[in-house]
Amino acid sequence: GAVVSQHPSRVICKSGTSVKIECRSLDFQATTMFWYRQFPKQSLMLMATSNEGSKATYEQGVEKDKFLINHASLTLSTLTVTSAHPEDSSFYICSARDIQARGISYEQYFGPGTRLTVT
Amino acid sequence: DQQVKQNSPSLSVQEGRISILNCDYTNSMFDYFLWYKKYPAEGPTFLISISSIKDKNEDGRFTVFLNKSAKHLSLHIVPSQPGDSAVYFCAASTSYGGSQGNLIFGKGTKLSVKP
Repeated sequence: GAVVSQHPSRVICKSGTSVKIECRSLDFQATTMFWYRQFPKQSLMLMATSNEGSKATYEQGVEKDKFLINHASLTLSTLTVTSAHPEDSSFYICSARDIQARGISYEQYFGPGTRLTVT
Repeated sequence: DQQVKQNSPSLSVQEGRISILNCDYTNSMFDYFLWYKKYPAEGPTFLISISSIKDKNEDGRFTVFLNKSAKHLSLHIVPSQPGDSAVYFCAASTSYGGSQGNLIFGKGTKLSVKP
């Protein structure tokens, strides 16, 4: 089956530093990857849609200068949280859509998530 | 404004009985619905989906029912097993507009299946 990995699984950083999270599709190619954020007991909130070779599309209210997204290849997307603050502490999850899917593909394969704690 | 609502934050069911998880939506443009299962500190895993042209889709112990007029869908698990204990997210998507294919998630329902 389609496998998506994320690295690191958890990270603790100091306020003001930047953190990079990697999302990889391991056994398929993904033209589109998504980045979500989940607060405790809350839904997964879509932050941005990342298309290979083009700029990411950010959802309303998400600061593009703070959450930098790069989708340099068909198997890798990165999310960099710049100048992190304690309120950025959250569970970040990526997902990917298989390039083989015909038409509109709704099914997304999710990574295991990254727990970010900013102290 | 929540477009996908799961009004029951938790559900407890005895092993072997039926689990029914409910989901309501407000956007009439949604035409595809999915259920995901999530364990703590893990990403969601796809469970089952249904297109708006259908009213039922079945896969083993899992059946999803869609009532378009009521903008309501439900996931039935029968018989329920302790391993089914997890948080279940309902998600909806549309094939129209700039956000086609994007998933809108509900807040999830935590299912506990007791032995």
